[in-house]
Amino acid sequence: GENVEQHPSTLSVQEGDSAVIKCTYSDSASNYFPWYKQELGKRPQLIIDIRSNVGEKKDQRIAVTLNKTAKHFSLHITETQPEDSAVYFCAASPYLRGGADGLTFGKGTHLIIQP
Amino acid sequence: DSGVTQTPKHLITATGQRVTLRCSPRSGDLSVYWYQQSLDQGLQFLIHYYNGEERAKGNILERFSAQQFPDLHSELNLSSLELGDSALYFCASSVVQGGTEAFFGQGTRLTVV
Repeated sequence: GENVEQHPSTLSVQEGDSAVIKCTYSDSASNYFPWYKQELGKRPQLIIDIRSNVGEKKDQRIAVTLNKTAKHFSLHITETQPEDSAVYFCAASPYLRGGADGLTFGKGTHLIIQP
Repeated sequence: DSGVTQTPKHLITATGQRVTLRCSPRSGDLSVYWYQQSLDQGLQFLIHYYNGEERAKGNILERFSAQQFPDLHSELNLSSLELGDSALYFCASSVVQGGTEAFFGQGTRLTVV
């Protein structure tokens, strides 16, 4: 089955700086890669996603890049703000392979924005 | 608010007992996924139902089962509970299969004592 590795487990950046979280996946059939943000005690919230036919996607201060050859994808947050502090999860799914499998998640990155 | 509703929010029960967690998906969503979140295992996919039929199983124990009803709400049944079953249980729904654009409910925190 799919295996998703996520790094780093903790990331501390100064407010206003950029943050980058990296993930690798093992199953070449995976072609949907969402990112979720989870604040303490709350539900995971979808913040951005990318499909394998696209190399990069941006939404305001958030961007995701995908390298299918290397099987890795990254989340980039620019101009970080205190409200960006949370745990971020990457995930992978074989969307087109029958579509039944759920998401395989990375272990999460605790992003800390220092004032 | 994601539009996915889970009840109850909190549940405390004793070892050996059985509980049922309920999930109502967003209006129009046919797929319901169940996930377990614990400190040591992270977020793990348990099971997927699509329009009333089981479509995929993940790391779901034999003591656990689920179903999706004609009105598309779903229930996750956990039996012979052990201390290690204490976790946050999330359901997520999406319009189509494959976990795409899945929206999570607020979760049920299960504590087994």
